[in-house]
Amino acid sequence: GNSVTQMEGPVTLSEEAFLTINCTYTATGYPSLFWYVQYPGEGLQLLLKATKADDKGSNKGFEATYRKETTSFHLEKGSVQVSDSAVYFCALSDRNFNKFYFGSGTKLNVKP
Amino acid sequence: ETGVTQTPRHLVMGMTNKKSLKCEQHLGHNAMYWYKQSAKKPLELMFVYNFKEQTENNSVPSRFSPECPNSSHLFLHLHTLQPEDSALYLCASSQGLSEFLSGANVLTFGAGSRLTVL
Repeated sequence: GNSVTQMEGPVTLSEEAFLTINCTYTATGYPSLFWYVQYPGEGLQLLLKATKADDKGSNKGFEATYRKETTSFHLEKGSVQVSDSAVYFCALSDRNFNKFYFGSGTKLNVKP
Repeated sequence: ETGVTQTPRHLVMGMTNKKSLKCEQHLGHNAMYWYKQSAKKPLELMFVYNFKEQTENNSVPSRFSPECPNSSHLFLHLHTLQPEDSALYLCASSQGLSEFLSGANVLTFGAGSRLTVL
């Protein structure tokens, strides 16, 4: 079946630190992969996506590379800001079952 | 107005009340979704509609009744809810389900309706 596993939080970093949030997936076919971000009191917003192996998605300084060999899509940012504090969700879409699958979310706290 | 709009943003209701959540999308999408987000639980898919037809009911209790009159509007009718139904209810939309084949389908979420059942 399909599933997404991401590291448990919360992750607490100081401003300008390097961020990695791990995400691995299990899929029956060739999924598209996504990172969504949820700021307090809001819905989920698409942060970046990759639709095939070796694609790199990037947005607002965040990056993630679709690694088929390790079934991973880790989120990285070189220098986090306080405004990046949010919950981050890794997700995949399955072309065979017309569904999206979400990880449990990782809360990021960035301290000044 | 653009994107996905949900109303009300906050709702408090008693267990015997009947209320409705509304979702409207201005993206020209053909699929709409209801998700439930509870504290310390994964996001739960509740219902999916594709071109107004329900394609997914994820074993949701009958006290939740969805309605999709057209591809732009989605409702969630609530009656005789329980306190454990308190959660953030998220509406989302995407291009039609056939777009999954291209791998380009993306979910766009609304800001959510925070429901508290007393």
